Amino acid sequence: QKEVEQDPGPLSVPEGAIVSLNCTYSNSAFQYFMWYRQYSRKGPELLMYTYSSGNKEDGRFTAQVDKSSKYISLFIRDSQPSDSATYLCAMSAISGYSTLTFGKGTMLLVSP
Amino acid sequence: GAVVSQHPSWVICKSGTSVKIECRSLDFQATTMFWYRQFPKQSLMLMATSNEGSKATYEQGVEKDKFLINHASLTLSTLTVTSAHPEDSSFYICSARVADTDTQYFGPGTRLTVL
Repeated sequence: QKEVEQDPGPLSVPEGAIVSLNCTYSNSAFQYFMWYRQYSRKGPELLMYTYSSGNKEDGRFTAQVDKSSKYISLFIRDSQPSDSATYLCAMSAISGYSTLTFGKGTMLLVSP
Repeated sequence: GAVVSQHPSWVICKSGTSVKIECRSLDFQATTMFWYRQFPKQSLMLMATSNEGSKATYEQGVEKDKFLINHASLTLSTLTVTSAHPEDSSFYICSARVADTDTQYFGPGTRLTVL
């Protein structure tokens, strides 16, 4: 079993839809969770950063972490064609000293 | 937000030559920088972790003599691909970590094509 599992997609939705992106993980030591957005041929851009379990909201984006289920989610409300990109989840165990473990990324396509 | 730059953004070179890629944190100091490689439709693969003033730590399977990393200052790390071959063609991305956090900010990447 891989440490971080993420469905590669593509996930196709119409403009305005609510998008749900998910990752599962196996390492219970992970405490820090991130979501990155990567446009084609560009570096990843940090979208959300959360610590431990709970929700965090930023504009149209909401990140959820359920450590008991080892499951994290990113919700995008009112999706736009400009949201079309690959979304990578990442996580780590110890702040400041551990490297990130990435999922393979989910490709999202939002059609106008 | 924090900005990380990479130079060059793309490079084409002949087989057997060496290529240097620069990674700079523009508005913050990064004691740790990371180098990743990404093949088409694949996720980021960590190559090495670079700490300012010390030797880089390479991931298993990454040849340290082929991928030379130097982190001479708190804002600059370089990756040199020595004696490049076509199989080294890839998208190389660096990131810089904000001190005492796990927040990494990524550069825009460098596309290397070896002919």
